[in-house]
Amino acid sequence: DTGVSQDPRHKITKRGQNVTFRCDPISEHNRLYWYRQTLGQGPEFLTYFQNEAQLEKSRLLSDRFSAERPKGSFSTLEIQRTEQGDSAMYLCASSPRLRQGVHYTFGSGTRLTVV
Amino acid sequence: DQQVKQNSPSLSVQEGRISILNCDYTNSMFDYFLWYKKYPAEGPTFLISISSIKDKNEDGRFTVFLNKSAKHLSLHIVPSQPGDSAVYFCAAFGSARQLTFGSGTQLTVLP
Repeated sequence: DTGVSQDPRHKITKRGQNVTFRCDPISEHNRLYWYRQTLGQGPEFLTYFQNEAQLEKSRLLSDRFSAERPKGSFSTLEIQRTEQGDSAMYLCASSPRLRQGVHYTFGSGTRLTVV
Repeated sequence: DQQVKQNSPSLSVQEGRISILNCDYTNSMFDYFLWYKKYPAEGPTFLISISSIKDKNEDGRFTVFLNKSAKHLSLHIVPSQPGDSAVYFCAAFGSARQLTFGSGTQLTVLP
């Protein structure tokens, strides 16, 4: 088990371009989460999947953001028409079915810089 | 509206001494609390957790205390080591079943 993998690690893009990030969770984890972290802040929840179903989306997730998890395995997060305010670390995490004692395992994140 | 608050952005401690990191929460529906540690350019890694039915949980050098009436928890690290220097996040689960994080405390352990 190699943990949660995220690709790419860094992305620099021009304002207005579209970007897509990928997350590969721990294989036996059926839950997958996307968080965003900006400087000086803690991770903020964006959305989560149970298997292939997207069960919840934060109001932070504007209509320029879309996430998918086809077949309940890897997930992608796409940002369309990027803005400078989208610059942040995008973190993916996975967990087994939630119960007491369970925690999220995070990936190393994708650092997005919009110039 | 920040439901999990870490009011100290930074803390410096001498090696070998105790580090105490504090966290306050406002949502009384939170029933499970966790601490994560984060090094630069890495994702947060799980450190220790506590259920709301307990008031203390220990794991080696790390102890988490929960005071439900005060809606306060703390992480004690004894003895502190230079490798403990990192950002520490307090996080909580509630009825929404997703983790809500505080803003973090940068711990620096001085040799």
